[in-house]
Amino acid sequence: EVQLLESGGGLVQPGGSLRLSCEASGFTFSSYVMSWVRQAPGKGLEWVSAISNSGDRTDYPDSVKGRFTISRDNFKNAVYLQMNSLRAEDTAVYYCTRRDSGWKDYWGQGTLVTVSS
Amino acid sequence: DIVMTQTPLSSPVTLGQPASISCRSSQSLVHSDGNTYVSWLQQRPGQPPRLLIYKISNRFSGVPDRFSGSGTGTDFTLKISRVEAEDVGIYYCMQGTHFPHTFGQGTQLEIK
Repeated sequence: EVQLLESGGGLVQPGGSLRLSCEASGFTFSSYVMSWVRQAPGKGLEWVSAISNSGDRTDYPDSVKGRFTISRDNFKNAVYLQMNSLRAEDTAVYYCTRRDSGWKDYWGQGTLVTVSS
Repeated sequence: DIVMTQTPLSSPVTLGQPASISCRSSQSLVHSDGNTYVSWLQQRPGQPPRLLIYKISNRFSGVPDRFSGSGTGTDFTLKISRVEAEDVGIYYCMQGTHFPHTFGQGTQLEIK
């Protein structure tokens, strides 16, 4: 059974940093692109980062480029999201997702990040 | 970026009746490999999104056959043949053809 378990969310002040983790199990982790998708309270879904299966390629939308860094450890079956210079508009539930070709087939339960003073 | 526009934004449906959600993209979603990477996700209240349909019309593992997807090019549809109480939630279309992958704004399915 595929499982994705996020952790690391919490309350952080504007300008602060947070590192999210996602532990994967139930599949060959090193074979899949992994992504993070966020959902602001009461809002829709926004893709925020992706990393290739080997970790040699990463992508970000303009809204987080230069502030967020995605990485992975294929030995630990984990993917991470380092978030710096956090803003109030980054407040959201962050989901770890597995990507299969052009769709996201498995989603974690999510971890809530709140940016507030 | 590709804009995915869903209609309606809210859909009140009677139990046992059909429901239909449309999704229109701002550009063709036919990939150079010949596939069209349109998927549909369901998000029940308080739950993470769940994949229902991928590549326009393929049901994901465990998805009931009352859910079906169709469409071509820029116009796509999710249909529920007979709505059940457990289908309440928000439905999103997503395109995975062009980078960055983008989502529709969501359609709230509710029971009348």
